[in-house]
Amino acid sequence: NAGVTQTPKFQVLKTGQSMTLQCAQDMNHNSMYWYRQDPGMGLRLIYYSASEGTTDKGEVPNGYNVSRLNKREFSLRLESAAPSQTSVYFCASSVSGDTQYFGPGTRLTVL
Amino acid sequence: AQSVTQPDIHITVSEGASLELRCNYSYGATPYLFWYVQSPGQGLQLLLKYFSGDTLVQGIKGFEAEFKRSQSSFNLRKPSVHWSDAAEYFCAVVSGGGADGLTFGKGTHLIIQP
Repeated sequence: NAGVTQTPKFQVLKTGQSMTLQCAQDMNHNSMYWYRQDPGMGLRLIYYSASEGTTDKGEVPNGYNVSRLNKREFSLRLESAAPSQTSVYFCASSVSGDTQYFGPGTRLTVL
Repeated sequence: AQSVTQPDIHITVSEGASLELRCNYSYGATPYLFWYVQSPGQGLQLLLKYFSGDTLVQGIKGFEAEFKRSQSSFNLRKPSVHWSDAAEYFCAVVSGGGADGLTFGKGTHLIIQP
């Protein structure tokens, strides 16, 4: 039982490049989330998916898109990366309204 | 909108001493409250949670927290800290029963002195 997995662990991009962060969970959870963590800011919600087939914006959605591919997988896409998107990205999943379980994170640097 | 305040950015405690990390929340309805811990370079691990019932909740690693509705607080405590408790601690809130994401405080960095 792997819990929540994220790929890649590290990534360096140049400004304007695109990439997709992958997240998968094997706990049969309905809800999935993407957060970003910046120094001194805590974690902030980018997007979430309450159930398969639905997605909603969180606090900081600008510059990102998401896809809930199926119940297990929830991807985050940066279409044109900017230095302001340098951050650590965490995926999480939960039974709706209950404890969220976090992945190990992806450390992204945009030059 | 809901918000979480952790007033202490850094706290230094001697090993073996007691610990209290403060958390205040702003939320109109019944909140679901959480404490998570993050070791350097790691993801977040749940320490404990409060949904309803007994306002003193026990968690892992010897931590406990007390929900005080009148003070809008959910402070984390441990009677005797160990060097391995050095980490970043986050308080978080979510609307009860909803699938919305967590709202986090900015975190408290705990330093343990030998």
